[in-house]
Amino acid sequence: AQSVTQLGSHVSVSEGALVLLRCNYSSSVPPYLFWYVQYPNQGLQLLLKYTSAATLVKGINGFEAEFKKSETSFHLTKPSAHMSDAAEYFCAVSDSGIQGAQKLVFGQGTRLTINP
Amino acid sequence: DAGITQSPRHKVTETGTPVTLRCHQTENHRYMYWYRQDPGHGLRLIHYSYGVKDTDKGEVSDGYSVSRSKTEDFLLTLESATSSQTSVYFCAIRGQGGTGELFFGEGSRLTVL
Repeated sequence: AQSVTQLGSHVSVSEGALVLLRCNYSSSVPPYLFWYVQYPNQGLQLLLKYTSAATLVKGINGFEAEFKKSETSFHLTKPSAHMSDAAEYFCAVSDSGIQGAQKLVFGQGTRLTINP
Repeated sequence: DAGITQSPRHKVTETGTPVTLRCHQTENHRYMYWYRQDPGHGLRLIHYSYGVKDTDKGEVSDGYSVSRSKTEDFLLTLESATSSQTSVYFCAIRGQGGTGELFFGEGSRLTVL
């Protein structure tokens, strides 16, 4: 079964600093990988996705992630943090279901705090 | 906007009572999902549907049942709610592309006293 591990349940950075959120996956087949963001009291919003087209994936709000097969990692980065980036971030890997239903398996989440 | 509406958005109930959460979508998506979100666990799949009357269990299906009698509605039922089912429940639909991304509703917060 596929699984995802997010290293660090809480990450705190200063405004303007580099954001690095770590995600490692376990998959028996080439995976589809995703990062989602959740702002307080809201649903999850797709930030970006890896679908094997390119190893460096750019997403919304200046985020990007790099797929590294040798390290089974898909870390999320942003060069310069903004206060509005404060949220919870989830890494997810696709898993097959019945009749083409692709399920997502999520990591535990990382809460990002931005210090002024 | 993926056209997903969850109801109710907030509910407080007592242990042992039945609860039904509704997910309604307006865009004729085939695949629908119910997840629960708990601190430290991320989101965990409860059940999913791959068509009308076609459903399958997820990772944490015990104590839950689902029904899908028409494309647009996917119901999650707790037959006899327990305090361990206090959680935020999210409905999702799968995007039209083949890469499996899901689009989520706003969530239903359930408290079981």
